[in-house]
Amino acid sequence: SQTIHQWPATLVQPVGSPLSLECTVEGTSNPNLYWYRQAAGRGLQLLFYSVGIGQISSEVPQNLSASRPQDRQFILSSKKLLLSDSGFYLCAWSGRDSYEQYFGPGTRLTVT
Amino acid sequence: AQSVTQLGSHVSVSEGALVLLRCNYSSSVPPYLFWYVQYPNQGLQLLLKYTSAATLVKGINGFEAEFKKSETSFHLTKPSAHMSDAAEYFCAVSDSGAGSYQLTFGKGTKLSVIP
Repeated sequence: SQTIHQWPATLVQPVGSPLSLECTVEGTSNPNLYWYRQAAGRGLQLLFYSVGIGQISSEVPQNLSASRPQDRQFILSSKKLLLSDSGFYLCAWSGRDSYEQYFGPGTRLTVT
Repeated sequence: AQSVTQLGSHVSVSEGALVLLRCNYSSSVPPYLFWYVQYPNQGLQLLLKYTSAATLVKGINGFEAEFKKSETSFHLTKPSAHMSDAAEYFCAVSDSGAGSYQLTFGKGTKLSVIP
């Protein structure tokens, strides 16, 4: 069966520090991968999606970036965090030709 | 562009009462529709999905939803609420205009169950 992992689970970082969040999927190949941010009371905001290694599409211009160095690995990064980057970050995957998305457990990021 | 409207950001029901969470969508093509549940500090879990087969869809934990094309609705129901149903629920519609298989999510409805 397929599983999706995210780490770390929680993170507290000062403003201006770098960020790296990792997401890995097991039990499937060639998945579509997604990064979402969930801020309090604002629903889910799609940040990035990827249909293959090295292929990243950005939905929202910001100081975040994403990379997909391996088929089942998706990384969310920032060089300098802002207070507004605080939130709950969710990674998700779907099959190659499927809308059905499966979510990881999330990372709670607090920027202080 | 596709959109999803969930009526009511907060819904409270008594334990044992009917749960009804409303979702209306707009889509220019026949949609795929989903309901997800999120417990505090956890990821989203798929409850059920509509993919153009039966209009009444049954999901996990006793939930079901009915696709009504004429009303562009996909409301989520459960006959008898349980304390463990307290969570946030998200409706989502397939975004056929996007470059890949994306979903457009509603803003969520937080369900409280009163003992």
